[in-house]
Amino acid sequence: GDSVTQMEGPVTLSEEAFLTINCTYTATGYPSLFWYVQYPGEGLQLLLKATKADDKGSNKGFEATYRKETTSFHLEKGSVQVSDSAVYFCALRGQAGTALIFGKGTTLSVSS
Amino acid sequence: DAGITQSPRHKVTETGTPVTLRCHQTENHRYMYWYRQDPGHGLRLIHYSYGVKDTDKGEVSDGYSVSRSKTEDFLLTLESATSSQTSVYFCAISESTDSYNEQFFGPGTRLTVL
Repeated sequence: GDSVTQMEGPVTLSEEAFLTINCTYTATGYPSLFWYVQYPGEGLQLLLKATKADDKGSNKGFEATYRKETTSFHLEKGSVQVSDSAVYFCALRGQAGTALIFGKGTTLSVSS
Repeated sequence: DAGITQSPRHKVTETGTPVTLRCHQTENHRYMYWYRQDPGHGLRLIHYSYGVKDTDKGEVSDGYSVSRSKTEDFLLTLESATSSQTSVYFCAISESTDSYNEQFFGPGTRLTVL
């Protein structure tokens, strides 16, 4: 079945450092890919999405490109801030699917 | 923000007791979902609904039942709570099942079963 694998955390960075969180997926057909963010004590918020190969999703300085050849959707940000500290989830939704399939989440901690 | 509320937000209960969690939406979205979040597992689908009185099972449905009598409300029931059901429960909604259609999440309910 469909699955998502993302890098284990926690990821600890200093403010203004470059961020990469790796995400790879296994799915049949052409799924849509998502990054969700969960701030402490809150629910999940959609950060960005991409719905077809080579699409780039972007929001709040974060970017991710849908790479079908490598089945990847890595999250990047050029300069992280303390306020970016959160748990990040990569997810996919298949063509025939109803549910989102989530990775296990990566905790990011940014210090000043 | 999507209009999704969950109640209660926190609950502590004892093994063997029934528990009902409520999800309420004001977006008039057709599809509603219940997920559970556990460390090391991400979020996993328990049940979902594709309309009033129309529900189906997800990946981890054992021990749970759901009901949807109105578009805006989706109830999750633990008939006899067990310690393995200690978790954070999230409700989500979406307009359609098209793959590009994102889901919007509620704030979550933290359930502890002693």
